[in-house]
Amino acid sequence: SQQGEEDPQALSIQEGENATMNCSYKTSINNLQWYRQNSGRGLVHLILIRSNEREKHSGRLRVTLDTSKKSSSLLITASRAADTASYFCATDPYGGSQGNLIFGKGTKLSVKP
Amino acid sequence: DAGVTQSPTHLIKTRGQQVTLRCSPKSGHDTVSWYQQALGQGPQFIFQYYEEEERQRGNFPDRFSGHQFPNYSSELNVNALLLGDSALYLCASSLVQVDEQFFGPGTRLTVL
Repeated sequence: SQQGEEDPQALSIQEGENATMNCSYKTSINNLQWYRQNSGRGLVHLILIRSNEREKHSGRLRVTLDTSKKSSSLLITASRAADTASYFCATDPYGGSQGNLIFGKGTKLSVKP
Repeated sequence: DAGVTQSPTHLIKTRGQQVTLRCSPKSGHDTVSWYQQALGQGPQFIFQYYEEEERQRGNFPDRFSGHQFPNYSSELNVNALLLGDSALYLCASSLVQVDEQFFGPGTRLTVL
């Protein structure tokens, strides 16, 4: 079963605009991770935020986590055509790579040049 | 430093057949997890191997089995294939007690 629910399911923006994707989940977590997937290929790890963190930055990425609302958001600033991909949030209930990342269905982002 | 590798890239099988997929973890990693990703869905956890033993298992039938070798590489076996087994199979490697998992490019399995 899938725990995370990304919102929106699809997002289309122009290059240079910001893209915001949201993720909601159901059970307690140790950490939450965001991944990118290009055209049904492998997943690329973007950023990890732990349950005791509220915000994290990595380059043009900003992730927030609200454990009281069981939600997270991923912001991509100044988007580029190369950011076109599907983005998934994955919750980790236990931490320490004890397996069982729980993924949502993803947000399909299209960035038009 | 090679990342996670998987073979084969693509595979076509017919219903009832058996298939074996292979994964080599990132150098230095000791834990391998397998995920199934159906079209338009997020990946779903199948199982994880550490120290050559299955450590955790998702909600998949016994037709799905695996193995981890002393060099940490892993195999996923699926018996009695069903049409619904058609999916992208992803392998992820990690180091025990470290949270980040690194994914391979996947094996696309088509069952006809």
